Amino acid sequence: AQSVTQPDIHITVSEGASLELRCNYSYGATPYLFWYVQSPGQGLQLLLKYFSGDTLVQGIKGFEAEFKRSQSSFNLRKPSVHWSDAAEYFCAVARSGGSYIPTFGRGTSLIVHP
Amino acid sequence: ETGVTQSPTHLIKTRGQQVTLRCSSQSGHNTVSWYQQALGQGPQFIFQYYREEENGRGNFPPRFSGLQFPNYSSELNVNALELDDSALYLCASSLGGQGNYGYTFGSGTRLTVV
Repeated sequence: AQSVTQPDIHITVSEGASLELRCNYSYGATPYLFWYVQSPGQGLQLLLKYFSGDTLVQGIKGFEAEFKRSQSSFNLRKPSVHWSDAAEYFCAVARSGGSYIPTFGRGTSLIVHP
Repeated sequence: ETGVTQSPTHLIKTRGQQVTLRCSSQSGHNTVSWYQQALGQGPQFIFQYYREEENGRGNFPPRFSGLQFPNYSSELNVNALELDDSALYLCASSLGGQGNYGYTFGSGTRLTVV
């Protein structure tokens, strides 16, 4: 079965600074990978996804993520963080064939200081 | 295009009672998945319905059951509520049984069991 590890429970950055949120997955083949964002009291919004092809994926709100097979990682990055980016971020992995059931990590809480 | 709508938004139930949560999927989506998100955790997969049939189930007991209707809306039923069932219940819809286009999530139903 697939699994996801988000090693950082909380990340604090200053507004305007760069951001990298870590995600490591466990899956035997090439997975489908996702990043979602959740604002307080809200559902999850899809930021970006990777299925195949170019390993650098562009998403909404200026986010990007890079798939590194050798490191089993799919880290999320943003060059300049805005205060409105403060939220909970979830990485998810799904099998690339058969029944699709994404597995989510426990999330990383992003705190943005002015 | 309407998004995913969940009702009610908040609910308080007593231990041992039964509850029904409802979800209207995004227009054009035929797959609905339900997740349980405990406080400070990532979403945990409960089950998925594709064209009115259960398409996958997570590690939840049989007292968690569901339905999908011909219009692709869905219900989650939980019998014999326990205190640990207190959580945010998220519904997500997608197109196709494999859902590899990513999910659209609703804002969730906050269930409190006392």
